[in-house]
Amino acid sequence: EAGVTQFPSHSVIEKGQTVTLRCDPISGHDNLYWYRRVMGKEIKFLLHFVKESKQDESGMPNNRFLAERTGGTYSTLKVQPAELEDSGVYFCASSLRQGHSYEQYFGPGTRLTVT
Amino acid sequence: SQELEQSPQSLIVQEGKNLTINCTSSKTLYGLYWYKQKYGEGLIFLMMLQKGGEEKSHEKITAKLDEKKQQSSLHITASQPSHAGIYLCGADRSVRGAQKLVFGQGTRLTINP
Repeated sequence: EAGVTQFPSHSVIEKGQTVTLRCDPISGHDNLYWYRRVMGKEIKFLLHFVKESKQDESGMPNNRFLAERTGGTYSTLKVQPAELEDSGVYFCASSLRQGHSYEQYFGPGTRLTVT
Repeated sequence: SQELEQSPQSLIVQEGKNLTINCTSSKTLYGLYWYKQKYGEGLIFLMMLQKGGEEKSHEKITAKLDEKKQQSSLHITASQPSHAGIYLCGADRSVRGAQKLVFGQGTRLTINP
């Protein structure tokens, strides 16, 4: 069974540009999450999808970030326009169900560098 | 201050030695996860603890949850080079169907041969 995959693995862009990150969850997992880790900080929650619906987007930093999950399969996270403080590692995770008993499986992350 | 504090932040041990990593929460723990991360890789799920006093083991790694102290510990016995990496604890902060994990800052473990 394939795990959570993310693309690209690395992205270097200039301030003001747009970047789109992609996440493919484990097949059959309705729940998809985005997290990020900025330099020197802990991993922080961004948002949670259940199928194509946003269940919780309380962690999204601002309106420069847009997450979508059309069709309830893969998800994209767009940053437009990117700022220096957006640099970090963006992780995607998926789980079969939501709730205390279901672990979240994480992808390898996308390392974003904004120069 | 952070909601989850891990200690120590980094740890260097000689191969074969035992070690313990702690995770302390400022809030009640309903579910506590332990993950391991190697550079360039995602977080690898290790164990999940849900009940006070619960203890789980997998190979040489044992995790315990002390609900009253709002604390969890991860213990590695007879450490090996393969144990090196960053260990992260995560607390389940699910609210009304929306699930999210809150993480500690991680403990970087180095195993010296």
